[in-house]
Amino acid sequence: EVQLVESGGDLVQPGGSLRLSCAASGFTFSYYGMSWVRQAPGKGLEWVANIKQDGSEKYYVDSVKGRFTISRDNAENSLYLQMNGLRAEDTAVYYCARRPSTFDIWGQGTMVTVSS
Amino acid sequence: DIVMTQSPDSLAVSLGERATINCKSSQSVLYSSNNKNYLTWYQQKPGQPPKLLIYWASTRESGVPDRFSGSGSGTDFTLTISSLQAEDVAVYYCQQYYTTPYSFGQGTKLEIK
Repeated sequence: EVQLVESGGDLVQPGGSLRLSCAASGFTFSYYGMSWVRQAPGKGLEWVANIKQDGSEKYYVDSVKGRFTISRDNAENSLYLQMNGLRAEDTAVYYCARRPSTFDIWGQGTMVTVSS
Repeated sequence: DIVMTQSPDSLAVSLGERATINCKSSQSVLYSSNNKNYLTWYQQKPGQPPKLLIYWASTRESGVPDRFSGSGSGTDFTLTISSLQAEDVAVYYCQQYYTTPYSFGQGTKLEIK
């Protein structure tokens, strides 16, 4: 079964850091671009970051540039999102998604809450 | 950046009737070299991640019922549910993947009348 499972979400204070992980299974992870998409409580979807199959190219939404870093380990079938300098507006469910072109497979999401 | 605007924000349709959701992009998402529209439709039910329904504006994802169809090109797109079923109650999003930053519409909440 094709599956993505996120972990690492937590309650963190403003200015803090978190590292999200996404474990992939059921497909050849290294063949696919991957992404992070977030959804603030009661709000719509917002694309956060893309990474190419080999990790050579990365793209970010402007609001997280310089604070978030997307990475992957193809040997471990894992995707990561290192989040530094967290702000209240980063509070959201974070989804990892497989991206052959558009987002065809999504994980269940992990909740990140930024609050003092 | 490409802005995606959906209409209406909410919609109530009787069971068995047609539901139509519109999506407009601020610039064309049609890539001329391959004649593909980089436009997707997702369905999201409460507490669940989005589910891919339609990609390339009109290609139905495997396993999606054929009552769901997508149409349009360039900047104007439509998702049609030909005969609404109770399980179709959800929020629907369009999204462009023509260029980063990828962008979503604000969502359309579909309910039963």
